[in-house]
Amino acid sequence: SQQGEEDPQALSIQEGENATMNCSYKTSINNLQWYRQNSGRGLVHLILIRSNEREKHSGRLRVTLDTSKKSSSLLITASRAADTASYFCATVHTSNTGKLIFGQGTTLQVKP
Amino acid sequence: DTAVSQTPKYLVTQMGNDKSIKCEQNLGHDTMYWYKQDSKKFLKIMFSYNNKELIINETVPNRFSPKSPDKAHLNLHINSLELGDSAVYFCASSQSTGGFFEQFFGPGTRLTVL
Repeated sequence: SQQGEEDPQALSIQEGENATMNCSYKTSINNLQWYRQNSGRGLVHLILIRSNEREKHSGRLRVTLDTSKKSSSLLITASRAADTASYFCATVHTSNTGKLIFGQGTTLQVKP
Repeated sequence: DTAVSQTPKYLVTQMGNDKSIKCEQNLGHDTMYWYKQDSKKFLKIMFSYNNKELIINETVPNRFSPKSPDKAHLNLHINSLELGDSAVYFCASSQSTGGFFEQFFGPGTRLTVL
């Protein structure tokens, strides 16, 4: 069954604003990853957060993980038009197969 | 230098035909994957291979058969294509199995079955 659900499904903001996307999942995870997909392209890995971590930063990206609530959030600060894309969270179960289970994705539009 | 490449980028074919999609990675990774993304952008794992050995085989019709001639290549052959097979198929690779490795995705192959 689908593991991750993302909220909102679509988000439209002005350049310079912050964008927050949320991801919820159902069962225990080993780690959670965020990917970006530009229109018509493949996915690009953004950040990985392990189940024993609570927060992680990478440039303008900040990811939080709350395992008690089975949720994660991705914050993009000072957004740019180039951030316009779909963002997916993906979870890895406590297994060693590398299987990623993707959420539905959030489509972000950043208006110049 | 393309890290993960797929051919063809677009594939339009008739129902009932057999087609193949090829994938190659030049990253030296041990593990490769096939994903299917439907029209609602839902992305689902189909198969993964680690060093030519099948690791993940999701509930996929047996009309789909992956083949890994070496660890740098993972091809997907689809027999008797159906309308529901229309989707974008992504190949990906990672350094190894075990979930802590980021996956690198190819550009996708958009398959349209008429």
